[in-house]
Amino acid sequence: AQSVSQHNHHVILSEAASLELGCNYSYGGTVNLFWYVQYPGQHLQLLLKYFSGDPLVKGIKGFEAEFIKSKFSFNLRKPSVQWSDTAEYFCAVNALSGGYNKLIFGAGTRLAVHP
Amino acid sequence: DGGITQSPKYLFRKEGQNVTLSCEQNLNHDAMYWYRQDPGQGLRLIYYSQIVNDFQKGDIAEGYSVSREKKESFPLTVTSAQKNPTAFYLCASGVGAFFGQGTRLTVV
Repeated sequence: AQSVSQHNHHVILSEAASLELGCNYSYGGTVNLFWYVQYPGQHLQLLLKYFSGDPLVKGIKGFEAEFIKSKFSFNLRKPSVQWSDTAEYFCAVNALSGGYNKLIFGAGTRLAVHP
Repeated sequence: DGGITQSPKYLFRKEGQNVTLSCEQNLNHDAMYWYRQDPGQGLRLIYYSQIVNDFQKGDIAEGYSVSREKKESFPLTVTSAQKNPTAFYLCASGVGAFFGQGTRLTVV
């Protein structure tokens, strides 16, 4: 069965620190990859997505992610975080299986940025 | 405006009663999904559908049922067989998922 693993459940950083959140998935076929963010009290928003092409994907708010197929990874990065980046981040994988698009999520990483 | 509408935002039900959560989209998406969000567990897939009159069980389908009679609608029924139904339920559509605002169900 397909699965998505986010290695860090809680991350605490100071403003201006660099961020990298890990995401690994288990599925050998074609995948589309996503990162979502959920700010406190708000609904999920799409940060970025990878379908094909350049494995380095740039998203909104200065975030980027790199798809490394050989490692089944899609880590999220930001060079310098801000207090407003405090949120929960979810990695998701859309796997094409038996003619169905099955979108599954990791457990999430809660990021707290201190001023 | 195109989007996904979930209703109601808050729902209270007595234990032992079935309850149906509504999800409507006008984005002309084929794929629709239902998730349950619990603290520390992320979003867990309940059911998903690719086309009308067809749907598949997700990872936690027990105690839930769905229907897909129309492309734009994918209602979720939380049955009395679901042992821990109190949760936040999210509906999504499309590849890459547009999300509704969610329904918080509380069973008392």
